[in-house]
Amino acid sequence: EAGVTQSPTHLIKTRGQQATLRCSPISGHTSVYWYQQALGLGLQFLLWYDEGEERNRGNFPPRFSGRQFPNYSSELNVNALELEDSALYLCASSLAGRYNQPQHFGDGTRLSIL
Amino acid sequence: AQTVTQSQPEMSVQEAETVTLSCTYDTSESDYYLFWYKQPPSRQMILVIRQEAYKQQNATENRFSVNFQKAAKSFSLKISDSQLGDAAMYFCALILNTDKLIFGTGTRLQVFP
Repeated sequence: EAGVTQSPTHLIKTRGQQATLRCSPISGHTSVYWYQQALGLGLQFLLWYDEGEERNRGNFPPRFSGRQFPNYSSELNVNALELEDSALYLCASSLAGRYNQPQHFGDGTRLSIL
Repeated sequence: AQTVTQSQPEMSVQEAETVTLSCTYDTSESDYYLFWYKQPPSRQMILVIRQEAYKQQNATENRFSVNFQKAAKSFSLKISDSQLGDAAMYFCALILNTDKLIFGTGTRLQVFP
């Protein structure tokens, strides 16, 4: 069974640009979660999608947005990039509506802002 | 607000010995789950063990076990017979029925031969 896949592995952008990160969940999982892991700050919850809809959102500005496609894959978009957006972005998936089920993580996308 | 606190930024243990990683949390909810995740240098977060809040019995997975003290809101991880492959960042996490996973800041575990 294929795990959660994320692309690209590494993304380099400059301030003010826009970044798009992609995630494919485990087959059968309909919930997708995005987390930001900045150096020294642990993981911060960004977004949760389920069945194509945004279900919950962390304390991030509106320039962080995303969507979930009919095949349950997801995109995270970050507009007007700032230096502090440099971080590892992790995607996770789980079975729908089952918050007690563990979330399975991808390898992450390392976003570097120059 | 819900919080998860890991007060040990770094820990070390000798191979074959036992180490305990601490975690405390705060929530007003009565229904939640607790997890320990491991993140090796390869970056991928791997589930180590989970605990249902309504269960008093401590969860165990092979060499990994937890000491869950609900009243004290404490959830420590014990690793027995430590192996070199156990070296990683360990994150304690709390999940509520909103599906929001709240992580601690992590404990870096080093294992010495």
